[in-house]
Amino acid sequence: QMHLVESGGGVVQPGRSLRLSCAASGFTFRGYGIHWVRQAPGKGLEWVTFISYDGSHEYYADSVKGRFTVSRDDSKSTVFLQMNGLGAEDTAIYFCAKGFWEFCTGGSCYDGFDVWGHGTLVTVAS
Amino acid sequence: QSALTQPASASGSPGQSVTISCTGSSSDVGGYNFVSWYQQHPGKAPKLMIYEVSKRPSGVPDRFSGSRSGNTASLTISGLQAEDEADYYCNAYAGSSNVIFGGGTKLTVL
Repeated sequence: QMHLVESGGGVVQPGRSLRLSCAASGFTFRGYGIHWVRQAPGKGLEWVTFISYDGSHEYYADSVKGRFTVSRDDSKSTVFLQMNGLGAEDTAIYFCAKGFWEFCTGGSCYDGFDVWGHGTLVTVAS
Repeated sequence: QSALTQPASASGSPGQSVTISCTGSSSDVGGYNFVSWYQQHPGKAPKLMIYEVSKRPSGVPDRFSGSRSGNTASLTISGLQAEDEADYYCNAYAGSSNVIFGGGTKLTVL
């Protein structure tokens, strides 16, 4: 069975940094791109970032560009999200999600996030 | 980029059908065949219900169907059941390696 498990959330002061992890199991990790999606308390879903199956491409929402960095370690089947310069607007549950298509390219990488983790809560507050 | 437009709420009685719309533009919903729908129960992670506009992942009941007309995608749930009560989100590829979500629709089964 395919699983994703996020960790690393917590309470952090404005301006500080946090690193989230997303550990995968049950599928061929190297073949799939991974997304991060966040959900502010009581709000809707917001796409944050995507890293391609081979780590050669990373894309970010405008709201986090220049502050967040996504990376992956295939030896550990884990994706990381480094978040710097955090602000109150970054308070949310952060989900990682697997892209539907293996070895996806272009727009197909954004077509269907079929496995989701349970999420990890990040709270930015002084 | 603005969120796709979904009605804030929808409702139906058990056994009825309900359709949730997702309106975007020719740059996203109408421009690519990469429109998905997600179901989210309170406190849970989203679940993929529809991908590529109208395809169902294995395990999703055929009561759920997706379609598109122009810049508006739709999710139809037929034979409503109590467990269908949840929030539903659409998302669409918007080009330039960007994807946008709808604001979400809260479905109530009366």
